[in-house]
Amino acid sequence: EAGVTQFPSHSVIEKGQTVTLRCDPISGHDNLYWYRRVMGKEIKFLLHFVKESKQDESGMPNNRFLAERTGGTYSTLKVQPAELEDSGVYFCASSQDRRSAAGYTFGSGTRLTVV
Amino acid sequence: GESVGLHLPTLSVQEGDNSIINCAYSNSASDYFIWYKQESGKGPQFIIDIRSNMDKRQGQRVTVLLNKTVKHLSLQIAATQPGDSAVYFCAEKGDFGNEKLTFGTGTRLTIIP
Repeated sequence: EAGVTQFPSHSVIEKGQTVTLRCDPISGHDNLYWYRRVMGKEIKFLLHFVKESKQDESGMPNNRFLAERTGGTYSTLKVQPAELEDSGVYFCASSQDRRSAAGYTFGSGTRLTVV
Repeated sequence: GESVGLHLPTLSVQEGDNSIINCAYSNSASDYFIWYKQESGKGPQFIIDIRSNMDKRQGQRVTVLLNKTVKHLSLQIAATQPGDSAVYFCAEKGDFGNEKLTFGTGTRLTIIP
């Protein structure tokens, strides 16, 4: 079974540019989550999709961040325009059972550097 | 506000020894806790979980202890191996409908050969 795939693995962009991160969850997983770790701090929740619907987007930092999951399969996270403080590692996770963390599978992350 | 934190940012342990990683949480209503391991270049990997109706849970070479009185969580790794070197995070998971994970800052465990 393929795991959660994130693309790209690394991205370096200039302040003010746009970047789109992609996450392909495990096939059949209805739940998809985005998290990020900024400057070695704790990993923080961004948002949660159930299929194509946003279940919880309370962690989205501001309106420069836009997440989509059209068709309930893969998801994209767009940052426009990117700021320096957006640098960090963005993780995606998917699960089928919302009650248990044991079924949560994380991708390897996208390391975003804004210069 | 709610937070999940770790006491020590780094820990070095001799190979073969046991290690203990500690974590404090502030939300007394929390009822589900998880430990994750993150190796370089990879995402967090589930190790073990525990619900608040338990004080202890054991896995393969790992044990999680929960002390609800002082809101403290620990991860014990027995007979450490070089492959145990990683950053370890504790996390709290919310209830159905509010299922985000709240992570601590992480402890870097280094196993000395």
